[in-house]
Amino acid sequence: EAQVTQNPRYLITVTGKKLTVTCSQNMNHEYMSWYRQDPGLGLRQIYYSMNVEVTDKGDVPEGYKVSRKEKRNFPLILESPSPNQTSLYFCASSLAGQGTYEQYFGPGTRLTVT
Amino acid sequence: GEDVEQSLFLSVREGDSSVINCTYTDSSSTYLYWYKQEPGAGLQLLTYIFSNMDMKQDQRLTVLLNKKDKHLSLRIADTQTGDSAIYFCAERDSSASKIIFGSGTRLSIRP
Repeated sequence: EAQVTQNPRYLITVTGKKLTVTCSQNMNHEYMSWYRQDPGLGLRQIYYSMNVEVTDKGDVPEGYKVSRKEKRNFPLILESPSPNQTSLYFCASSLAGQGTYEQYFGPGTRLTVT
Repeated sequence: GEDVEQSLFLSVREGDSSVINCTYTDSSSTYLYWYKQEPGAGLQLLTYIFSNMDMKQDQRLTVLLNKKDKHLSLRIADTQTGDSAIYFCAERDSSASKIIFGSGTRLSIRP
């Protein structure tokens, strides 16, 4: 089944403790992206990747890192999480970064930083 | 920068039509999208419209685009309880490298 998977789905952590949220897609998509969803703000893009080893900042990249060593994986790294990073995070992928290609979204990771 | 705006809430009676509105600022947008998010789930693409189109119809869904006013709307005919969700308007920015989302409109259905 074609899908985007994220792990973990739920995470509660403390300020400053490094964490990684994994994202994997099995559709051979070139484009992958991370968003955070906050009430009243919709989805804001954190980072995106047009292809392997190519990553770019989105609208809210501060406090986050990403890597794209393989086509299928696009982990989101929070080196020193802070409470303002408490949010719902979505990973998405599409065949390419241009054109009308549909973005497929993962199920989301709800992160709470205390 | 580019911006996409929507009202946060809409309540309609079951069986009526729902109209969700959206405005955007990037006049060079190429594609505009409507996504649906059901509770506890990610977003799913409902429909999209290319910027040189005025209207697109797909079963119960009708998308209208007024490029002059930078206004996009989604009409859902015969709204059902299964249509309860958050609906996001989005545009592909002029560099075509990312999609910009609105804040989402929560649609609730009254019996």
